[in-house]
Amino acid sequence: KAGVTQTPRYLIKTRGQQVTLSCSPISGHRSVSWYQQTPGQGLQFLFEYFSETQRNKGNFPGRFSGRQFSNSRSEMNVSTLELGDSALYLCASSLGTETDTQYFGPGTRLTVL
Amino acid sequence: EDKVVQSPLSLVVHEGDTVTLNCSYEVTNFRSLLWYKQEKKAPTFLFMLTSSGIEKKSGRLSSILDKKELFSILNITATQTGDSAIYLCAVFKGGSEKLVFGKGTKLTVNP
Repeated sequence: KAGVTQTPRYLIKTRGQQVTLSCSPISGHRSVSWYQQTPGQGLQFLFEYFSETQRNKGNFPGRFSGRQFSNSRSEMNVSTLELGDSALYLCASSLGTETDTQYFGPGTRLTVL
Repeated sequence: EDKVVQSPLSLVVHEGDTVTLNCSYEVTNFRSLLWYKQEKKAPTFLFMLTSSGIEKKSGRLSSILDKKELFSILNITATQTGDSAIYLCAVFKGGSEKLVFGKGTKLTVNP
């Protein structure tokens, strides 16, 4: 079974631009969660989608948004990029039940100049 | 506020040593505790613990959860250089369907 895939793997943007990241979950998984990882803050939860609906959201500004498609693929969008948005963005997929394990993709490394 | 605290933050050992990594948590609506290993990019899943006192083992790695004292430990015996990584502890928070992560323990195993 193929794992979680994320594209692109690397991105370089400038302040003020916007970016869209993509995540394809493991086949059969309906939940996709997004996390931001930085050296200072560690892994922080952004939001989670299940069956095309955002179920939960972390404490990030409205510039961070996402969506999920009917095939469970998910996209995350960051508008008006700031230097502090430079991070590794990880998505994780799971079946979506409470006792389920989340499996992570390889991440997208975003650098904002 | 929910928090997961890992200790130590960093650890350097020699091959063959045994290490114990700690994870304490204060998370409302606890559902499970997970351990991940992160080498370069994606964290890879190691264990999921939901019940107190039941040890989970995978080769040289083992982990146990104490839900009364709110902590978990991850043991690695006979360490190898390939065990060098950041070990992340996360608690799955029910109702919000999210993982609350600790900052991780960076383990370095020298030959």
